Amino acid sequence: KAGVTQTPRYLIKTRGQQVTLSCSPISGHRSVSWYQQTPGQGLQFLFEYFSETQRNKGNFPGRFSGRQFSNSRSEMNVSTLELGDSALYLCASSLGTGGSYNSPLHFGNGTRLTVT
Amino acid sequence: GQQVMQIPQYQHVQEGEDFTTYCNSSTTLSNIQWYKQRPGGHPVFLIQLVKSGEVKKQKRLTFQFGEAKKNSSLHITATQTTDVGTYFCYKGGGAQKLVFGQGTRLTINP
Repeated sequence: KAGVTQTPRYLIKTRGQQVTLSCSPISGHRSVSWYQQTPGQGLQFLFEYFSETQRNKGNFPGRFSGRQFSNSRSEMNVSTLELGDSALYLCASSLGTGGSYNSPLHFGNGTRLTVT
Repeated sequence: GQQVMQIPQYQHVQEGEDFTTYCNSSTTLSNIQWYKQRPGGHPVFLIQLVKSGEVKKQKRLTFQFGEAKKNSSLHITATQTTDVGTYFCYKGGGAQKLVFGQGTRLTINP
């Protein structure tokens, strides 16, 4: 089975711009969750989608949004980029909802976003 | 909020020494998962613990779930350079925010 695919791998954007990141889950996985990873803050949960519905949302401003399509692929959008948004953005897919019994997370390689 | 505290934040050991990281929750956990992230890589699932007092072993790694299901630990016996990385505990499931511990970064002096 192919793993979780995130595109693009690297992005450089300017403050104020917006960006869209893509995540293709493992075939058959219906849950996709997104995380922001920075050296100082560890892995911060952004949101989780299951069967096209947002199930949970972390404590991020409304500039961060996402969606999931009928094929379970997910996109994350960040508008009005700020310097502090520079981070590694990881998505993970799981068979059931993330963290639930026998439903471990499978991570992609991430998208490294740099905001200048 | 539902937090998971993980300690220590950093641990440096000599190769061959043991290593332990601890994860503590303010609420009872339905299950806890452990992940390892190698430098430059992404987190990879190691194990899931579900039952009160559960102990699982994977070669030199021993995972424990507390009796009250509020804490967990990962112990590595006789570390090797391949053990380098950051170890995260993770709680989730149900209608809860998906929370990772802050991670313990393990470095090893060969």
